[in-house]
Amino acid sequence: DQQVKQNSPSLSVQEGRISILNCDYTNSMFDYFLWYKKYPAEGPTFLISISSIKDKNEDGRFTVFLNKSAKHLSLHIVPSQPGDSAVYFCAASAEGTYKYIFGTGTRLKVLA
Amino acid sequence: DAGITQSPRHKVTETGTPVTLRCHQTENHRYMYWYRQDPGHGLRLIHYSYGVKDTDKGEVSDGYSVSRSKTEDFLLTLESATSSQTSVYFCATHTSGESYEQYFGPGTRLTVT
Repeated sequence: DQQVKQNSPSLSVQEGRISILNCDYTNSMFDYFLWYKKYPAEGPTFLISISSIKDKNEDGRFTVFLNKSAKHLSLHIVPSQPGDSAVYFCAASAEGTYKYIFGTGTRLKVLA
Repeated sequence: DAGITQSPRHKVTETGTPVTLRCHQTENHRYMYWYRQDPGHGLRLIHYSYGVKDTDKGEVSDGYSVSRSKTEDFLLTLESATSSQTSVYFCATHTSGESYEQYFGPGTRLTVT
């Protein structure tokens, strides 16, 4: 049973436009959500996170939105740059567990 | 960067042989994790540790064992490797506290023939 789902395996966006990556979860105990970026042959690197007490968190070009009632979060990248081309994973954790469940990833390609 | 190294970085082994992967960290982080990454499955948690000699199973722990005798080292052992364990393995660490951010190592590509 996939508790964290990223239903779009890939996404292509023109440089300068907005990239929107989506993530859905099923476990209502999850209260912390993270996004990671992964380049080929490297380990994932942390991008941005959000706690369930918030509905939005912004860091530069990256904004994460959380809709708890829909069990849905999204990552917005504005403006998208070619260097953003990577695989993006969302992850979720329940308070105090320090266990993380990852989605299957979305490959973003930003076209110059 | 939490100073995480993984060894070996690449390994080819035969079915039925034992394999041990090592993760070493220099930041004194309490929590350590082993994940595998496979196409269509993303990152799946194998085992994790919340302290020296304290470990627990993740989503896909069958066929794997772990040990943590020192804070800085977390070993993943495949007792008898199978072709289904061909994958890229990532180690990660996390420090307790308010931040939930994990730090990942560079990965080990394991091929079981």
